[in-house]
Amino acid sequence: GQQVMQIPQYQHVQEGEDFTTYCNSSTTLSNIQWYKQRPGGHPVFLIQLVKSGEVKKQKRLTFQFGEAKKNSSLHITATQTTDVGTYFCAGNQGAQKLVFGQGTRLTINP
Amino acid sequence: ETGVTQTPRHLVMGMTNKKSLKCEQHLGHNAMYWYKQSAKKPLELMFVYSLEERVENNSVPSRFSPECPNSSHLFLHLHTLQPEDSALYLCASSQAGTQYFGPGTRLTVL
Repeated sequence: GQQVMQIPQYQHVQEGEDFTTYCNSSTTLSNIQWYKQRPGGHPVFLIQLVKSGEVKKQKRLTFQFGEAKKNSSLHITATQTTDVGTYFCAGNQGAQKLVFGQGTRLTINP
Repeated sequence: ETGVTQTPRHLVMGMTNKKSLKCEQHLGHNAMYWYKQSAKKPLELMFVYSLEERVENNSVPSRFSPECPNSSHLFLHLHTLQPEDSALYLCASSQAGTQYFGPGTRLTVL
């Protein structure tokens, strides 16, 4: 079945440094979604990318969808302590099923 | 956020007990999901219900039994669990692919 690989598994940065997590699918995706889970919380939807090569920004967060619609990345500029958490990508395999990556756990040294 | 609620929030049970997890969504969505989240597998899809019909069962052991009596409610019945079943059990609902997660039930099996 479809697999979604996400790297790195863990990332520790100094506050103010940038952070990037990468997501790769074994198959072409109809769209990709990103979620954030704060420590002790539950995953919360951030954004969905649909078009090949699409780039979307949310303040300091930049999301990209690859030209082949098989990979995606999330980049955070100048991290803040509020960015701490685990970031998951999820590939859409049909309207009712998402395949989640393993997540990247971000910790920040203030 | 109160769109998706789960009870109980914490549960400790012995291996011979029978218990049920409850999920309720107030968003008018037509699909509901059970996920298992543990250190080994961050977000593992267990069951998918679409329009109250089970459409996905990811090789989950029979000691987990889902029930979806209507589009707003989802249950996960538990019996004769194993210690390795200890995890966070997350419920989610969706309408157009984006998933809205509940707060989860932290389950500990002794």
